[in-house]
Amino acid sequence: AQSVTQLDSQVPVFEEAPVELRCNYSSSVSVYLFWYVQYPNQGLQLLLKYLSGSTLVKGINGFEAEFNKSQTSFHLRKPSVHISDTAEYFCAVSPSGTYKYIFGTGTRLKVLA
Amino acid sequence: NAGVTQTPKFQVLKTGQSMTLQCAQDMNHNSMYWYRQDPGMGLRLIYYSASEGTTDKGEVPNGYNVSRLNKREFSLRLESAAPSQTSVYFCASSEKLDRVNTEAFFGQGTRLTVV
Repeated sequence: AQSVTQLDSQVPVFEEAPVELRCNYSSSVSVYLFWYVQYPNQGLQLLLKYLSGSTLVKGINGFEAEFNKSQTSFHLRKPSVHISDTAEYFCAVSPSGTYKYIFGTGTRLKVLA
Repeated sequence: NAGVTQTPKFQVLKTGQSMTLQCAQDMNHNSMYWYRQDPGMGLRLIYYSASEGTTDKGEVPNGYNVSRLNKREFSLRLESAAPSQTSVYFCASSEKLDRVNTEAFFGQGTRLTVV
């Protein structure tokens, strides 16, 4: 069975500092990879996705992620965070040949002034 | 540009009551989903519909039923609500392009409390 692990449930970071949110997955088939952001009392909004091609993908709001097939990871990074980046971030995989999207348990990013 | 619309946004039920959560999408997507979100557990798939006329169980289907009414609409029914079903429910839709799973689009959620 496929699964997604986000080991860090909470990540505090000071404004303008860099941040990395970790995501690892397990799957016996190839996967498509996604990062979503959820602001309080809202739905999920796509940050970025990896479907094929370059393993470094860029998304909205200055975020980027790198797909590492050998380490089965898809970590999210931002070189300089803002207060407005405070939110919960979810990593998701969709195994090839299925219709499912499997989510991690989320990481709460809190940006401190 | 509505995307995925869920109704209602909030609901309080008594134990044993029934209700239906409604979801509609205007993106002409074939696939639709119902997830529940609980603190510390991420989003868990309840049911999904790969295409009109088909439905399949997800990770946590017990206590729920679904209906894919047409291509646009996918409803979730709680026949006899239990406190364990207190959660935030999200509907989503997606489309495969050349057999590639593109991203899922989410509604704003329904916050359900069962007392």
